[in-house]
Amino acid sequence: AQSVAQPEDQVNVAEGNPLTVKCTYSVSGNPYLFWYVQYPNRGLQFLLKYITGDNLVKGSYGFEAEFNKSQTSFHLKKPSALVSDSALYFCAVRDMSGSGYALNFGKGTSLLVTP
Amino acid sequence: KAGVTQTPRYLIKTRGQQVTLSCSPISGHRSVSWYQQTPGQGLQFLFEYFSETQRNKGNFPGRFSGRQFSNSRSEMNVSTLELGDSALYLCASSSRRAGLSPYEQYFGPGTRLTVT
Repeated sequence: AQSVAQPEDQVNVAEGNPLTVKCTYSVSGNPYLFWYVQYPNRGLQFLLKYITGDNLVKGSYGFEAEFNKSQTSFHLKKPSALVSDSALYFCAVRDMSGSGYALNFGKGTSLLVTP
Repeated sequence: KAGVTQTPRYLIKTRGQQVTLSCSPISGHRSVSWYQQTPGQGLQFLFEYFSETQRNKGNFPGRFSGRQFSNSRSEMNVSTLELGDSALYLCASSSRRAGLSPYEQYFGPGTRLTVT
């Protein structure tokens, strides 16, 4: 089964500092990986995806993620955090077991950026 | 383009009742997926519909069902509600068409269901 793990429940960063939200994956074959963000009382917003190609993927709001096959990781990064980045972040992998486009999500990491 | 819309946004039901939630995908998107989000279980896939056919189903009991209409709008139904069905139900749409970012799913704001 395709799965992802987010080892940190919460990440605290000071505004202006770089941030990293970790994600590792376990898949058979080539993974289709995604990052989503959820603000309070809102649905999930797509940030970026890795399907194939360059290992460094750039996404929305200045976020990027690095696909590392040897470490089976797909960490989300941003060079300079903003207070408005505080939210719940989810890593996801496409479930390849059927013909559908189901996503298997990690349990989420709460990011808190302090002024 | 308008985003994914879900109705109603909030719902309170009693145990044993049934509920129907509605989702309108982004214009041109033909795939609709449903997810359940709870504090304990996180985000779990319910099912996906494409061209009015269920393409994939998650590990949920038969009380959870869905359908898709010819205009790609989708509904999900939960019968004989249990307290544990209280959750945020999220709908997501995707194009499923090569060259049009087929794998990205765009989520609606969700329907918050409370079962008492």
